[in-house]
Amino acid sequence: DIQMTQSPSSLSASAGDRVTITCRASQNIMNYLNWYQHKPGKAPKLLIYAASSLQSGVPSRFSGSGSGTDFTLTISSLQPEDFTTYYCQESYSSPNSYTFGQGTRLEIK
Amino acid sequence: EVQLVQSGAEVKKPGESLRISCKGSAYRFTNYWISWVRQLPGKGLEWMGKIDPSDSYINYSPSFQGHVTISVDRSITTAYLQWSSLKASDTAIYYCARLGGEHSNSLYFGLDVWGQGTTVIVSS
Repeated sequence: DIQMTQSPSSLSASAGDRVTITCRASQNIMNYLNWYQHKPGKAPKLLIYAASSLQSGVPSRFSGSGSGTDFTLTISSLQPEDFTTYYCQESYSSPNSYTFGQGTRLEIK
Repeated sequence: EVQLVQSGAEVKKPGESLRISCKGSAYRFTNYWISWVRQLPGKGLEWMGKIDPSDSYINYSPSFQGHVTISVDRSITTAYLQWSSLKASDTAIYYCARLGGEHSNSLYFGLDVWGQGTTVIVSS
């Protein structure tokens, strides 16, 4: 099975900051990597698919990059509504295993 | 608006059976696979499996194979997640989600539409 490791597990930042979250795969997954935002009590929201493609309706301050084993999610200027948890998910392991990272909690400093 | 609407919260006893539902609307239901995702209390997301509503073909995660049953009723555009004998360890929030690629069984395009989640509590 592919293991997905996010870092950091938690992160403190201020509104207006630029932050980067990293996701590392245990093997080459090409660009088969998605990013989600998950607010407590809400459904997760797809932000980025295929490592760098912005999902329709997602603000342009979110961006993704990477390929192979190392990926990043960058938020260019944090807004108050961005302080929540983010997950990466590999989409390489077809057809019956799509592992999520353990999550990164983004907190207000 | 494209939506997945899930059934309400459930409180059950160990050993009981349960089926929760996920109804799709405002899109061609049979053109998009549906996934189920679990979130244990205070924990992260786990992918459970997916179903093709057009022919009911299913892929289960090895972690969930044999523990749950995924099914679909095309006539009412609804997917289901079912347990025959619940355990306390099944206490979690369960989400259904649509695979983003039309006619694709790959998560390459991500899970683009999510249900609101169904809380299942199993306690004696």
